[in-house]
Amino acid sequence: KAGVTQTPRYLIKTRGQQVTLSCSPISGHRSVSWYQQTPGQGLQFLFEYFSETQRNKGNFPGRFSGRQFSNSRSEMNVSTLELGDSALYLCASQDRGSDGYTFGSGTRLTVV
Amino acid sequence: AQSVTQLDSHVSVSEGTPVLLRCNYSSSYSPSLFWYVQHPNKGLQLLLKYTSAATLVKGINGFEAEFKKSETSFHLTKPSAHMSDAAEYFCVVRDSSYKLIFGSGTRLLVRP
Repeated sequence: KAGVTQTPRYLIKTRGQQVTLSCSPISGHRSVSWYQQTPGQGLQFLFEYFSETQRNKGNFPGRFSGRQFSNSRSEMNVSTLELGDSALYLCASQDRGSDGYTFGSGTRLTVV
Repeated sequence: AQSVTQLDSHVSVSEGTPVLLRCNYSSSYSPSLFWYVQHPNKGLQLLLKYTSAATLVKGINGFEAEFKKSETSFHLTKPSAHMSDAAEYFCVVRDSSYKLIFGSGTRLLVRP
């Protein structure tokens, strides 16, 4: 069974640009959630999607957005990048029938 | 609101000696608790989870944790540390909206 796939693994962007990250969950999992990991703030919840609907949102500015497609793949977008957006972005896939959360390897975004 | 506190930011042990990583939680109801491990430049791997079944939970790689309601603790233990256990460990509680709330992490160093 394939795991959670996040692409790309690494990304370097310039301040002011926008970026799109992708997450493909485990087959059959309909819930995808996103987390930001930084040395200063640790791991923080961004949002969760279930069956193409945003079910929950963390305390991040509107520059951070996401969506989920009918095949459960999810994308998150960050517009007008700031230096502080440099982080490891992790995606978690969950089968709502169980309590397990499986994380991908993450996308490391560097904003210069 | 749910929260977790990891009592040690760093723990150092010698190979072959026991490991104890401490976690206290705060929850207004019976919580779902998890321990995740993160090796350098990797995503998060689930070690074990507690979801109101047995209070002693066995996980992968010889780790286990005991849920103690009276002490609001969920400490992670392993009888004998291995060099490959060196990593960062996160205690996590899931809130009522299925959002994961992470502790600040404990970095485990294993000395040869």
